Amino acid sequence: GNSVTQMEGPVTLSEEAFLTINCTYTATGYPSLFWYVQYPGEGLQLLLKATKADDKGSNKGFEATYRKETTSFHLEKGSVQVSDSAVYFCALRYSYGNNRLAFGKGNQVVVIP
Amino acid sequence: GAVVSQHPSWVICKSGTSVKIECRSLDFQATTMFWYRQFPKQSLMLMATSNEGSKATYEQGVEKDKFLINHASLTLSTLTVTSAHPEDSSFYICSAGSDKEDGYTFGSGTRLTVV
Repeated sequence: GNSVTQMEGPVTLSEEAFLTINCTYTATGYPSLFWYVQYPGEGLQLLLKATKADDKGSNKGFEATYRKETTSFHLEKGSVQVSDSAVYFCALRYSYGNNRLAFGKGNQVVVIP
Repeated sequence: GAVVSQHPSWVICKSGTSVKIECRSLDFQATTMFWYRQFPKQSLMLMATSNEGSKATYEQGVEKDKFLINHASLTLSTLTVTSAHPEDSSFYICSAGSDKEDGYTFGSGTRLTVV
């Protein structure tokens, strides 16, 4: 079935450090891929997306490239800020059926000044 | 951009009572709405999918008689937690999408506490 796997554990790093959060997926068909961000006590906000292989989604300095050969969609940012502290979810949208989203478990990112 | 309004943002209720949570798409017509439940420090668990004018499709293990979902219009879906118990305390999030949207827009969530 369709599923998303994110790297285990929270991520703690210093301001201006480089951030990578790994995401791999298993899917039939050709899903769309997303990264969502959740700030404390809030719902999810779409951060970026990619709809086909080799597409690169980008927003607010974050980037992720849809890699079909490695079934990955890793999130990167070159220089994080304290305001980037949040939980990040990787997700895929089923390419058939009711088009629902399948989420990874999420990664808590803490940026220390 | 697309906006989904969810309210209340938090609610405290007594055990045995019912609570209704609303999810509205403000500037687009949502053909599909999803309801999720999120436990502390965990991912979102899909509870049900609703399409306007039809019955909701519940995920395995979700009690349809306990979590009543109504999607009466293209801009409004409601989740009613009936006869709530402390174990129903959680963070509930809705999301909405249209045929034109590739991703989905999420509401800000509702923190339900049953005492």
